[in-house]
Amino acid sequence: GQQVMQIPQYQHVQEGEDFTTYCNSSTTLSNIQWYKQRPGGHPVFLIQLVKSGEVKKQKRLTFQFGEAKKNSSLHITATQTTDVGTYFCAGQAAGGTSYGKLTFGQGTILTVHP
Amino acid sequence: DGGITQSPKYLFRKEGQNVTLSCEQNLNHDAMYWYRQDPGQGLRLIYYSQIVNDFQKGDIAEGYSVSREKKESFPLTVTSAQKNPTAFYLCASSIAGWGNHYEQYFGPGTRLTVT
Repeated sequence: GQQVMQIPQYQHVQEGEDFTTYCNSSTTLSNIQWYKQRPGGHPVFLIQLVKSGEVKKQKRLTFQFGEAKKNSSLHITATQTTDVGTYFCAGQAAGGTSYGKLTFGQGTILTVHP
Repeated sequence: DGGITQSPKYLFRKEGQNVTLSCEQNLNHDAMYWYRQDPGQGLRLIYYSQIVNDFQKGDIAEGYSVSREKKESFPLTVTSAQKNPTAFYLCASSIAGWGNHYEQYFGPGTRLTVT
């Protein structure tokens, strides 16, 4: 079945440093979604990427979707303590028996030291 | 306020007992989902329902059961057959089911501890 791998599992940064998490799918995706889960909270939708090679920005966050629609990344510039949490990617299968199913990566836990 | 509610926030049960987790949404969403979250494993899909009176097994349905008799409600029963029931359970909903590229809205979760 479809697998979505996310790395790294943990990332510790000093406030002001940049952060990147990567997401790779075993199959071609129709789209990819990113979610953030604050400590003790629930996942909250951040963004969705649909087009091959798409890049979207939200303030200090930059999201990319690979040309082959099998990988994605989230980059945070100049992290702040409010960025702390777990970032999940979730990919929707482009075809086959898993068409449209949303599969979550394992998440990257970001810790920001002030 | 529109949203998803899950109750209770914390739940404790003895081994061998069935327990039902509540999930209610007032977003008028067709699709609802149950996920299980364990440390280091992300979110794993237990069951999903794309429309009322219909539901399908997800990736880890063994030991769980659901019903979808009303659009706004999707309760999950953790049965005694579930070998490792202690986990954080998240309910989610979306406007429509898969294939429609809609984001999922999550409830606050229920942390179940079975001893």
